[in-house]
Amino acid sequence: DAGITQSPRHKVTETGTPVTLRCHQTENHRYMYWYRQDPGHGLRLIHYSYGVKDTDKGEVSDGYSVSRSKTEDFLLTLESATSSQTSVYFCAISAGQPQETQYFGPGTRLLVL
Amino acid sequence: QKEVEQNSGPLSVPEGAIASLNCTYSDRGSQSFFWYRQYSGKSPELIMFIYSNGDKEDGRFTAQLNKASQYVSLLIRDSQPSDSATYLCAVIRSSASKIIFGSGTRLSIRP
Repeated sequence: DAGITQSPRHKVTETGTPVTLRCHQTENHRYMYWYRQDPGHGLRLIHYSYGVKDTDKGEVSDGYSVSRSKTEDFLLTLESATSSQTSVYFCAISAGQPQETQYFGPGTRLLVL
Repeated sequence: QKEVEQNSGPLSVPEGAIASLNCTYSDRGSQSFFWYRQYSGKSPELIMFIYSNGDKEDGRFTAQLNKASQYVSLLIRDSQPSDSATYLCAVIRSSASKIIFGSGTRLSIRP
């Protein structure tokens, strides 16, 4: 158990509304990641963070922003949700050896109508 | 061509048999290789990683790496119904130290 929680676990929203997903970790890991998982695409990296206020884009970052004001929290915001952003969102941390080993939170299932 | 490729399955294996899952990758300089298991509706969980050519065993699981042929395999011995899940292969590229996931192989163990 990597001590990662995500909230909410399920959300239904309407197109055009902003949505924020929260990832919280209890073990002070430096690196945190947001992925989305869709059938046929596997896990795709949205954004990641390598420290407080230090973030970078992943391969599918368009339409998403992130913030990390505290080590333990990494927020993912959909500025204006679209139906193509319906997905399962996983937060992850990296820890252990090798250092890029990823451990995942329970996921958030998002439906954009 | 995807960076990490897996057959999507489903792969159906009888209980007690050996399940063999395969993964190929495109970056010849890739360094570390991971296998994750994901049950339906759950998050991926790490099974094992390998970074040297050859075999690495952990209980009923054996990871096999062949860098010359750019493939990594996972063998599951004495397959159990509880092994039915999607198995994700992941690779760390030589550049940027980022992990890339395959789209997974669905494994079904039939009693």
